[in-house]
Amino acid sequence: DGGITQSPKYLFRKEGQNVTLSCEQNLNHDAMYWYRQDPGQGLRLIYYSQIVNDFQKGDIAEGYSVSREKKESFPLTVTSAQKNPTAFYLCASRPILAGVYNEQFFGPGTRLTVL
Amino acid sequence: QQQVKQSPQSLIVQKGGISIINCAYENTAFDYFPWYQQFPGKGPALLIAIRPDVSEKKEGRFTISFNKSAKQFSLHIMDSQPGDSATYFCAVRRGTDKLIFGTGTRLQVFP
Repeated sequence: DGGITQSPKYLFRKEGQNVTLSCEQNLNHDAMYWYRQDPGQGLRLIYYSQIVNDFQKGDIAEGYSVSREKKESFPLTVTSAQKNPTAFYLCASRPILAGVYNEQFFGPGTRLTVL
Repeated sequence: QQQVKQSPQSLIVQKGGISIINCAYENTAFDYFPWYQQFPGKGPALLIAIRPDVSEKKEGRFTISFNKSAKQFSLHIMDSQPGDSATYFCAVRRGTDKLIFGTGTRLQVFP
């Protein structure tokens, strides 16, 4: 899990409520990512950020929002607009160094269940 | 459009056997090909990765075979052990772009 912390490990929310998932890294990595994983499916990219105060939509950004106010933090908010929010959410980070193949590290994940 | 196709979806291997997982990609601009291992309830961890200038990379019991002309790469696990039971993901990336993942292969190794 490297130096990436995701909290909490399990999260339960009622339908219609917004919920924010935490992701913190102490690796001094430039880029951070949020993925969603559903049973039998690969990792689908929700949002990513390569620099503070800037982020881009991934493949499934609808119903999610993020912020990147600090280099070490990249919280994800699952809004009530997300139709099927129950899933395993993974945060990742990596350095961005020109000319180098930079390994991407993953956090331990947060399992969100919407009741 | 699926940019990387992974097969099989699941794999059952006897202890001591060879596990082989395959991935195929379309874009010849990809230049980084990692494999990730994920245990239940955990985040994926990088297992082994290869660049397109070599055809094979071996680390212990794990080997990546890379066929640039066929746009395919595979993971071979020699002497498979029950502790190797996990889900394996291939991925591709171009330069500093984001990783694109395959759909995963669930490997079960029985004693």
